[in-house]
Formats: sequence, structure tokens, C-alpha cells
Amino acid sequence: GAVVSQHPSWVICKSGTSVKIECRSLDFQATTMFWYRQFPKQSLMLMATSNEGSKATYEQGVEKDKFLINHASLTLSTLTVTSAHPEDSSFYICSARWNEQFFGPGTRLTVL
Amino acid sequence: GQQLNQSPQSMFIQEGEDVSMNCTSSSIFNTWLWYKQDPGEGPVLLIALYKAGELTSNGRLTAQFGITRKDSFLNISASIPSDVGIYFCAGQLGGGGNKLTFGTGTQLKVEL
Repeated sequence: GAVVSQHPSWVICKSGTSVKIECRSLDFQATTMFWYRQFPKQSLMLMATSNEGSKATYEQGVEKDKFLINHASLTLSTLTVTSAHPEDSSFYICSARWNEQFFGPGTRLTVL
Repeated sequence: GQQLNQSPQSMFIQEGEDVSMNCTSSSIFNTWLWYKQDPGEGPVLLIALYKAGELTSNGRLTAQFGITRKDSFLNISASIPSDVGIYFCAGQLGGGGNKLTFGTGTQLKVEL
């Protein structure tokens, strides 16, 4: 139980384009999902908390207009990186709450 | 954002050896969690601790919730090659829905 998936597992895009990453809880419903960003050889940094049916809560320093989060159902949250630039290249990981937080496998974003 | 301090930063040990790592915080947490992350993957929950002083085991892994609620320890006994990876501690103030604060990570390498 408590399986979380992400799609795509990796994506390469041109600078200025937008990229959508999906996070799904496969065998449970999650009212709360979290989005993290991890740069090479660093720890996970929370970007935002996604609540089903309401606006996401962003951490200080994270641009909400650049990182759009939608939690439309109890099993799906999406993160859209708008007008991506090379500095947005990172490993994006979501988690979903079922007792504790369970993490997806991550999405590697490379912006050229 | 805040990060918890983990030590050591990295360890290179012989197969069969026991491993100890710790995590310290300047603030109190009500829950401590330990995750393992393999390269290119999301973190996997190893052990969750909910009470100050609690000692919990999961196979060869044992973790303790510090009495001061500002630290936690993880021990791995009789290490094997598949123990290789990065171990992260995470602190949480409230229940499962509250956000996690991650440690800086301990990279474990096992020599055959």
C-alpha cells in the first residue's frame, strides 16, 4: 500500500516552454500532497503544500505564478513549471499523505 | 528553508560493520522520520518515531527519538551492499499532514 507515482519520470524542454508533472496516489486517497525540489547532492526542499479543492500553500521564496499547482482530485496533483529556464532544471519529487508522507519516484527536469 | 544537521555527511564502511548516524535540530519536533534515497529515486520511509525516548526497529535498522525532541539517531547493523544510498532524517511538528523538514543527508557507501 501507499504507492505514489509521478509522470513523466524525466523531461527535457526548451527554455521558455511550460512543463506539467503529475503526481498520483495509486492505492489511497490523499487530501494533502507536497511538492519538493532537489538539486544535485542536496537535500529535499519543500516548495508547496497542495490541498485538494483549495489553493496551494507555497514556501517562502517559491514563485506561485511560476510553479502552478492544481490538486483537482483526491488522487492527483499537478505541478506546472511555466516559462521554464535552465535554473529550473532539478529533480522534482511529490509526496502524498497516508498516515505519513510517501514519496513518488521523482521527475528529472532539464531545461535547455 | 530550515534544514536539520546530519552527521556524518558521508561514510565508507566495510560490509558487515554497524553504522550510526544522527540528526540534530535547533527546534523541537513531535515526529521524527528516517528515509533512504537511492540515486534517481524518491525517498523511501524506513522508520517513524512518534514519542520522545522511543526506540523502534525495522529489521537491521534501529532508530531513536531523542529525549530533548531535538535529535534522532539511526543505527544499521551488519551492513550489506544494498544499504548503499543516502539517508535523510526528517522532522515534523504535527501529524502526517504537516510539512517535513529534511536533514542534510548521510551518504553511505559499503565496501565489499
